[in-house]
Amino acid sequence: SQQGEEDPQALSIQEGENATMNCSYKTSINNLQWYRQNSGRGLVHLILIRSNEREKHSGRLRVTLDTSKKSSSLLITASRAADTASYFCATSPGSEKLVFGKGTKLTVNP
Amino acid sequence: EPEVTQTPSHQVTQMGQEVILRCVPISNHLYFYWYRQILGQKVEFLVSFYNNEISEKSEIFDDQFSVERPDGSNFTLKIRSTKLEDSAMYFCASRGEQRSTMRNTFGSGTRLTVV
Repeated sequence: SQQGEEDPQALSIQEGENATMNCSYKTSINNLQWYRQNSGRGLVHLILIRSNEREKHSGRLRVTLDTSKKSSSLLITASRAADTASYFCATSPGSEKLVFGKGTKLTVNP
Repeated sequence: EPEVTQTPSHQVTQMGQEVILRCVPISNHLYFYWYRQILGQKVEFLVSFYNNEISEKSEIFDDQFSVERPDGSNFTLKIRSTKLEDSAMYFCASRGEQRSTMRNTFGSGTRLTVV
């Protein structure tokens, strides 16, 4: 898979359920970031996890990072219809640029 | 919370015309970036800019593209002669000094349509 590859590509759940999205990457990283994008809109930063961190929380978000497996997961608990969006992981593979995955399109049904 | 501001939000231009996309990064940030997202595709890195010069650029960022920080607050992306395939959402981003801890803050984007 390419650097910053998310799965699943699409996820549809009911309001109140948890949503888990995964990201895999190939090279070593300084940090990994998760972004949300509402349809046709800008990128909103959700959370950054550094390479020496294993887990991080922010409100209803929980991010894990496993550098040995080169993977990360984003968990959204107690989802709401307003969480409907595309979610991207982005890695910084030792240079200035961020490398984004194709994203997971999350639909939360009321 | 400080924001990255992009103008215009939408731009329609004819093929072959020059366009300038404008960004005002967060005031104490030092690193500036342009990314683009063709409809339905990944967000792709174009260029990074630090200390008044390009620090990294992608293969997409060819001679038709240029960036400038003309007055210490604005950061612009110029496309000299637009092509149909330049139609995309263009995002500006900025960040502070420490790569390991500082997130990139993105603007809300300029949707460029080349006709």
